[in-house]
Amino acid sequence: GEEVAQTPKHLVRGEGQKAKLYCAPIKGHSYVFWYQQVLKNEFKFLISFQNENVFDETGMPKERFSAKCLPNSPCSLEIQATKLEDSAVYFCASSQSSGVYNEQFFGPGTRLTVL
Amino acid sequence: SQQGEEDPQALSIQEGENATMNCSYKTSINNLQWYRQNSGRGLVHLILIRSNEREKHSGRLRVTLDTSKKSSSLLITASRAADTASYFCATDGRGNNRLAFGKGNQVVVIP
Repeated sequence: GEEVAQTPKHLVRGEGQKAKLYCAPIKGHSYVFWYQQVLKNEFKFLISFQNENVFDETGMPKERFSAKCLPNSPCSLEIQATKLEDSAVYFCASSQSSGVYNEQFFGPGTRLTVL
Repeated sequence: SQQGEEDPQALSIQEGENATMNCSYKTSINNLQWYRQNSGRGLVHLILIRSNEREKHSGRLRVTLDTSKKSSSLLITASRAADTASYFCATDGRGNNRLAFGKGNQVVVIP
């Protein structure tokens, strides 16, 4: 598609439950990024992919977070055993190329609430 | 290190006035991008300026980049009520593709 799509819009989980978020990048874009917006003004990079390969995972809390981008499937971000501090809006972005032309387009986000 | 720190953080203006916001960063960059976020919604890409560019225009938006001062400014001319939003700058550092965001400017345009 011509926009980054994210599902679901809202997700509510009890502490300790699993959460899985999905992202369909813009068609033709090779790079996918996940960001977390915890407070209204703070964004944190989590992980990026180049096609189905992990490109940069320096932002991922390794113990409970995992992500995949498989061919012909939406990308996913999974949080095992959610904690209260995981409550945030998770944004997916995609871009066509890297370097100076790395123009990232964002999806509408998934709001995760952990109770 | 924190990149992209906008100043000022909150701006309230009358419709028709211009709004200017600034952003500073700390490391070398490939490009700098400005985004708009309406309350509770996603990020809308406004403009990308590459590290070898000094100024760029898009409609009512004008972005400048000064790599010697590691700073950028976003000017919105003839503001409208619909421009009410938070505006974020984000830098793409050399050697990686991830964006580092600033804390955002809240702009309120009063009709």
